Amino acid sequence: GAVVSQHPSRVICKSGTSVKIECRSLDFQATTMFWYRQFPKQSLMLMATSNEGSKATYEQGVEKDKFLINHASLTLSTLTVTSAHPEDSSFYICSARPDRGRSDTQYFGPGTRLTVL
Amino acid sequence: KQEVTQIPAALSVPEGENLVLNCSFTDSAIYNLQWFRQDPGKGLTSLLLIQSSQREQTSGRLNASLDKSSGRSTLYIAASQPGDSATYLCASLGTYKYIFGTGTRLKVLA
Repeated sequence: GAVVSQHPSRVICKSGTSVKIECRSLDFQATTMFWYRQFPKQSLMLMATSNEGSKATYEQGVEKDKFLINHASLTLSTLTVTSAHPEDSSFYICSARPDRGRSDTQYFGPGTRLTVL
Repeated sequence: KQEVTQIPAALSVPEGENLVLNCSFTDSAIYNLQWFRQDPGKGLTSLLLIQSSQREQTSGRLNASLDKSSGRSTLYIAASQPGDSATYLCASLGTYKYIFGTGTRLKVLA
């Protein structure tokens, strides 16, 4: 089956630093990937849609200069949390939509837990 | 704007009980409705996906139904086990993105 990986699975950083999270589709190509954020005991909220070769589309209320997205290849999207603060601490999950097959299918990564001290 | 809600928010049942989790959505123009399981601190595991033209899907002890006209989906778990304890999320897929429900935290007691 289709597999999506995320790296790292956990990261702890100091306030003010930047953190990069990778999302990879391991056995399929994905022009489109998605980034979600989940606060404790809350549901997943879509942050942005990552498009290979073009700018990401951000949801309302998500700061594009704070959450930088780069989709440099058909199997890799990265999310960089710039100048992280404690309120950015959250669980970040990506998903990838295969270029081949049904367009209504997305595969989710295992998530990255970010803790900002 | 699509809104997805789940009832109940939390549920605690004795082992062996059959149970129903509810999901409602406001916009019936969906491509599919998907149920996921999430264990604490973990990612999502897809359980069942119901396409908009379908009414139900079954996998083992799980059965999910979809009624687009009423904006409802249910997840039926038969003969619940302690290993079923997790948070269950439903999500609707619209034009291109998922909208997730608020989740039901299930605890099955041994």
